Amino acid sequence: EVQLVESGGGLVQPGGSLRLSCAASGFTFSAFAMTWVRQAPGKGLEWVSAISASTSTIYYADSVKGRFSISRDNSQNTLYLQMNSLRAEDTAIYYCAIPDSAMVPGYDWGQGTLVTVAS
Amino acid sequence: QSVLTQPPSASGTPGQRVTISCSGSSSNIGNNYVYWYQQLPGTAPKLLIYKNNQRPSGVPERFSGSKSGTSASLAISGLRSEDEADYYCAAWDDSLSALFGGGTKLTVL
Repeated sequence: EVQLVESGGGLVQPGGSLRLSCAASGFTFSAFAMTWVRQAPGKGLEWVSAISASTSTIYYADSVKGRFSISRDNSQNTLYLQMNSLRAEDTAIYYCAIPDSAMVPGYDWGQGTLVTVAS
Repeated sequence: QSVLTQPPSASGTPGQRVTISCSGSSSNIGNNYVYWYQQLPGTAPKLLIYKNNQRPSGVPERFSGSKSGTSASLAISGLRSEDEADYYCAAWDDSLSALFGGGTKLTVL
């Protein structure tokens, strides 16, 4: 059974940093691309970033480009999202998901971790 | 980056057929696959339709997807009370990002 478990969320001040993790199990993590999606409170879904299985290809939404960095450790079956220069508008639940053939989220999602940016 | 356009709300009575539209452009829906998700309150999204019209295992046949040009639709037939949820479309955009629609809140009257 595929399991994706996000962690690392919490309260951070504007301008601060946070690193999210997504622990994967139940599938061959190193063979699959991964993606992050977020959802602000009461709002819709927003795609954030994606990384190929080999890390050779990385994509970011314009809203996070230059501030967020996606990475993965295939030996630890873990996906990361390093978030710097955080803003109030980054407050959201962050989900990791396995994408379909395009870098669009597919069937398997984590339960999400909440990031709150506030002073 | 533009957002795919969905109606903010839709409604129907039990047993009815409801459709939710998703409008995009040639760089996203027009040139790439469309995906549909259902999200119940407090839960992660669930994939309903992938690659325009394919249903994952376990998704009832009542849910169907279609695409024409730069628009797509999700149809739900035999509407049930448990279908009351938020629905999102998504597609890859040739500007090298994925896009979601703004979401449609479906109410079963």
